[in-house]
Amino acid sequence: AQRVTQPEKLLSVFKGAPVELKCNYSYSGSPELFWYVQYSRQRLQLLLRHISRESIKGFTADLNKGETSFHLKKPFAQEEDSAMYYCAPYNTDKLIFGTGTRLQVFP
Amino acid sequence: NAGVMQNPRHLVRRRGQEARLRCSPMKGHSHVYWYRQLPEEGLKFMVYLQKENIIDESGMPKERFSAEFPKEGPSILRIQQVVRGDSAAYFCASSPQVQNTEAFFGQGTRLTVV
Repeated sequence: AQRVTQPEKLLSVFKGAPVELKCNYSYSGSPELFWYVQYSRQRLQLLLRHISRESIKGFTADLNKGETSFHLKKPFAQEEDSAMYYCAPYNTDKLIFGTGTRLQVFP
Repeated sequence: NAGVMQNPRHLVRRRGQEARLRCSPMKGHSHVYWYRQLPEEGLKFMVYLQKENIIDESGMPKERFSAEFPKEGPSILRIQQVVRGDSAAYFCASSPQVQNTEAFFGQGTRLTVV
């Protein structure tokens, strides 16, 4: 069955610490992968997509086809990064979301 | 472009009533998706529609739930005879005609069944 897994419900770090939000997927073919973010009281929005290979707000994500992972990383977390993060493969005709990881960055 | 608009933002219904949730996609977008978010859970796909067509309804409960996206007007998610377990946040997203592009989300409708 097609599945996306975000093993951590909550990740707490201090400002300036490195952050890695894990995402593993099991999909046939080559899905396109996205990370979406939801800041407090705001709508869900796209953070980055693997096909563009760009860095947004200091975040990067590398697709590892061998490990079927698409972990989101940032070397130095900021307080404004506190939000819910969703990994979302796009396969066939729709986005499938993981359960999300809440990132808390303490000052 | 006003973005994806959902209304109402909050909806309270008594058990057994009907709930109608509306979603106006972004201008120029012909693909609409509905997702449900239960407390402490992620976003669950419900249905994918294009104008006047249901493309994928694999996530829709078999009974009481229906969705439409008419030629004119917003997409409607309809829940008949609501039960307490239907209480959730319902999100709509839209994307342009080309697939594999960014989906833009509305702010959601929070349904509470009392």
